[in-house]
Amino acid sequence: DIQMTQSPSSLSASVGDRVTITCRASQTISYYLNWYQHKPGKAPKLLIYAASSLQSGVPSRFSGSGSGTDFTLTISSLQPEDFATYYCQQGDSTPYTFGQGTNLEIK
Amino acid sequence: EVQLVESGGDLVQPGGSLRLSCVASGFTFSSYAMNWVRQAPGKGLEWVSTISGGGGTNTYYAGSVKGRFTISRDNSKSTLYLQMNSLSAEDTAIYYCAKGGALYGGKSRGGCDYWGQGTLVTVSS
Repeated sequence: DIQMTQSPSSLSASVGDRVTITCRASQTISYYLNWYQHKPGKAPKLLIYAASSLQSGVPSRFSGSGSGTDFTLTISSLQPEDFATYYCQQGDSTPYTFGQGTNLEIK
Repeated sequence: EVQLVESGGDLVQPGGSLRLSCVASGFTFSSYAMNWVRQAPGKGLEWVSTISGGGGTNTYYAGSVKGRFTISRDNSKSTLYLQMNSLSAEDTAIYYCAKGGALYGGKSRGGCDYWGQGTLVTVSS
């Protein structure tokens, strides 16, 4: 199975900050990498698919990059509604594993 | 508007069975792969199972549920199912139904673009 490791596991930041979350795959997954935002009591939300493609309706302050084994999610200027848990997920091979999550908190 | 509505979650005893349903609307259900993803209390998201679009010929499972869970679909009812047998406490979770991504030879491209609100399964005596 492909292991997905996110860092950091938690992060405190302020509104307006630039934030980067990384995701590393235990083997190459090409560009089969998605990013989700999840808030308590809500359905997860797709932000980025295929490593760098912005999902329709997602603000442009979210961006993704990387290929192979190393990927990043960047939020260029944090907004109050961005405080949530973020997950990466690989779609290269089953099981389509998620990272352990990054909890983004308000500083 | 795309909607996914899960149901069937309940309190069940260890060793018991449960069938979850997810009714879809707002898109051509038969054309899309569908997924189940779960979140145990205090834990992260865990992929459970995926079924291909069309007749659902191809199905995939997490190792933790393989042989116990069965994913299926009824395109005439725009409904996705998850039959869960031999349940244990480790299966306690919110179960989400999710649409997409496109399957190509076992690779899933595009991510899950729509999700339901989830249904709670509790396994306890």
